[in-house]
Amino acid sequence: VMTQSPLFLPVTPGESASISCRSSQSLLHSNGNNYLDWYLHKPGQSPQLLIYLGSDRAPGVPDRFSGSGSGSDFTLKISRVEAEDVGVYYCMHSLQARTFGPGTRVEIK
Amino acid sequence: EEQLVESGGGLAQPGGSLRLSCVASGFSFRSFSMNWVRQAPGKGLEWVSYIGAPGDDIHYVESVRGRFTISRDNAQNSLYLQMNNLRAGDTAVYYCARASPGLDVWGKGTTVTVSS
Repeated sequence: VMTQSPLFLPVTPGESASISCRSSQSLLHSNGNNYLDWYLHKPGQSPQLLIYLGSDRAPGVPDRFSGSGSGSDFTLKISRVEAEDVGVYYCMHSLQARTFGPGTRVEIK
Repeated sequence: EEQLVESGGGLAQPGGSLRLSCVASGFSFRSFSMNWVRQAPGKGLEWVSYIGAPGDDIHYVESVRGRFTISRDNAQNSLYLQMNNLRAGDTAVYYCARASPGLDVWGKGTTVTVSS
């Protein structure tokens, strides 16, 4: 089971924002990788990968997005939020069968 | 350009069947594991199924196990989802997505509506 907090996050452009994701099981594999991804789903678009393996930024993703954490506790940080960052953010574990978190809706104040 | 295009969605009656297809282009399809993800109206994303690159490692979300079958044809660059005994709760937009290891390439989705 994946949980996220908060579920709704109003943000001010230029400020930073953080989303927490917790798993009921450890996502740290014996190979040293944390099998946790972050996605952004904007209205009317397909979801896009932001972060994979806990902290690796996907190609083309701005460096204001960063992922951290290990085991069962992870955080997505958006520094200097921009208007285009609005949407629903999901964490997802990728150990064999996958599970998405419930999503965090980010809106501009 | 790396691309995935889904098709096969539509209206089905409860208990009916549909077969979704996803055609890949712009990359070596046979080298990547693939997934189906869905989003029901007003709900969040739900992972549905995974198939490894050779096609021998398969996983399903519990709610579709025994009703849905994922498969692939690497010679045709195609991914499939056979959906049987459909329920109203299966109504959703279905996306195929490449795993590399994150789900880095997504299709635009195909809509499945289960209703009498």
